Amino acid sequence: AQKVTQAQTEISVVEKEDVTLDCVYETRDTTYYLFWYKQPPSGELVFLIRRNSFDEQNEISGRYSWNFQKSTSSFNFTITASQVVDSAVYFCARADKLIFGTGTRLQVFP
Amino acid sequence: GAVVSQHPSWVICKSGTSVKIECRSLDFQATTMFWYRQFPKQSLMLMATSNEGSKATYEQGVEKDKFLINHASLTLSTLTVTSAHPEDSSFYICSARGGQVTYNSPLHFGNGTRLTVT
Repeated sequence: AQKVTQAQTEISVVEKEDVTLDCVYETRDTTYYLFWYKQPPSGELVFLIRRNSFDEQNEISGRYSWNFQKSTSSFNFTITASQVVDSAVYFCARADKLIFGTGTRLQVFP
Repeated sequence: GAVVSQHPSWVICKSGTSVKIECRSLDFQATTMFWYRQFPKQSLMLMATSNEGSKATYEQGVEKDKFLINHASLTLSTLTVTSAHPEDSSFYICSARGGQVTYNSPLHFGNGTRLTVT
């Protein structure tokens, strides 16, 4: 099976710390897409980013940034200056049927 | 835009009864919908892919006779858990793709249904 692995089960940080969530994927496809979703305690899933396999440029959106390294099959997500509201479970996923990683639970303490 | 409504948000039912969960795309036509199940502190596991007007495609290990999926229109897919048992208690989430459908389009998720079978 082509898995998506998020090795960090839980991460705890104090507010304003930077935190990086790791994601490693497996694929036999030459063209593929990767996603990050956030699931806050309320349960809904919030789309954060989509990245295609041809675009290895890092992306920054406010306090969020993503590092896509095709050579290591990784798509890591960094939150800069974390806030309490960032506390959630974060899932990395791969298209086409959206296979999710196991998720990383991030807790940001004040 | 791209709102997916899931109903009910939570349901408690007795063992042996059936429960129907609805997933609606409110402002777009969803040719493909996906049903996921999430046990506490676990990831989302894809159960089945639902295409409008055709039979659903179930993932390995998912009982198609127990989890009935109907995608009768471009805005509605339903999941019926038949003869529910306590082990079916879980968080069920639907998602949809619409518009210019490509396999890489972000999925829009419903808010989920928490099913508790007593």
